[in-house]
Amino acid sequence: DAKTTQPNSMESNEEEPVHLPCNHSTISGTDYIHWYRQLPSQGPEYVIHGLTSNVNNRMASLAIAEDRKSSTLILHRATLRDAAVYYCILRPQSGGFKTIFGAGTRLFVKA
Amino acid sequence: DARVTQTPRHKVTEMGQEVTMRCQPILGHNTVFWYRQTMMQGLELLAYFRNRAPLDDSGMPKDRFSAEMPDATLATLKIQPSEPRDSAVYFCASGLAPDGQIGTNQPQHFGDGTRLSIL
Repeated sequence: DAKTTQPNSMESNEEEPVHLPCNHSTISGTDYIHWYRQLPSQGPEYVIHGLTSNVNNRMASLAIAEDRKSSTLILHRATLRDAAVYYCILRPQSGGFKTIFGAGTRLFVKA
Repeated sequence: DARVTQTPRHKVTEMGQEVTMRCQPILGHNTVFWYRQTMMQGLELLAYFRNRAPLDDSGMPKDRFSAEMPDATLATLKIQPSEPRDSAVYFCASGLAPDGQIGTNQPQHFGDGTRLSIL
């Protein structure tokens, strides 16, 4: 399974944009890039996913590098509620079932 | 919004006791996953079901853990006998896999977990 690499932690100020990076240099051409986040005392929550093009939804934006070896999750205006662990995961387009969660990035948001 | 429901939310019991954790997947979802989360190991996949059939339980200790889906609205994870090292948060997730695919790249929807403490 292709691996992802994320910083252990990041810090942001409230109301400012946050860019959470993820490296996946061994990604295959058919792997989707998924992001989940886990708030304290809750289960992981789906955020966004994409294949090649940048994606936007109500929660965040996903920017995917042209060579697909890295991606960035963008929270446009961080709130205190966005403080969580963010996981970047690769999943095969054909639909495998193994979802391997790494350590993720713990995001701290300062008021 | 539809949610995955897990019960109980918390369970404290003594070593050797049987523990049963229950999960109600989102109506219409045909895949169910059981995960375990600890500080040391993070999130680990224990078992996976598709259309109620177990497809992979290689992540579970076979001698004490068992996972079943008696019907499409209920998944159970049992530990017998329980040991202190089983203390963790156990999450259930459900999703929708298209026909003809063993799995899915669609989102998994997680419950809020069962926090298990074995004394």
